[in-house]
Amino acid sequence: TQLLEQSPQFLSIQEGENLTVYCNSSSVFSSLQWYRQEPGEGPVLLVTVVTGGEVKKLKRLTFQFGDARKDSSLHITAAQPGDTGLYLCAPERGSQGNLIFGKGTKLSVKP
Amino acid sequence: NAGVTQTPKFRVLKTGQSMTLLCAQDMNHEYMYWYRQDPGMGLRLIHYSVGEGTTAKGEVPDGYNVSRLKKQNFLLGLESAAPSQTSVYFCASSLNYGYTFGSGTRLTVV
Repeated sequence: TQLLEQSPQFLSIQEGENLTVYCNSSSVFSSLQWYRQEPGEGPVLLVTVVTGGEVKKLKRLTFQFGDARKDSSLHITAAQPGDTGLYLCAPERGSQGNLIFGKGTKLSVKP
Repeated sequence: NAGVTQTPKFRVLKTGQSMTLLCAQDMNHEYMYWYRQDPGMGLRLIHYSVGEGTTAKGEVPDGYNVSRLKKQNFLLGLESAAPSQTSVYFCASSLNYGYTFGSGTRLTVV
């Protein structure tokens, strides 16, 4: 059974601060996705990373896939209240391409 | 473009009752999935389908059945509901990498 850990579990910060959340595993993955879930809604895809060492930027969000494709990080610059939500990482698994999801990092950005 | 639509949004069942959750997508996606989300457990895959007429078990399939008679619809059935099935259920569909999720069904079994 592959372990997938996201850290921290909870993060509460003030508007304007920077933060990084992590997604770590003991397994190598062919790709990895990050999602954000707001209360009462389903997760929404933010980005897919495929290549080891890859860095993708989405406005103030920077995503990195580890060189060994076992870990990933999400960095948010100058966080805003609209960034509040549950951030989930989801490495691809198996020949059918099913996603497994981490338990997520619950981020709260206070104005 | 509605994306993925789940019905109902909320439901309360008594132990032993049955019900069907409906998921419909209008994006012509081949793959469809049912997940449940519980506090502290994250999203766990119940069943999935790689195309019309096909279904397969996921991580937590016991107590659930599914059907994919039409490409756009994926049904999740509970034959005899148990309190342990109290959860938020999410349907998702995909074509390649990214999943598109519905907004969920909150089910309480009393």
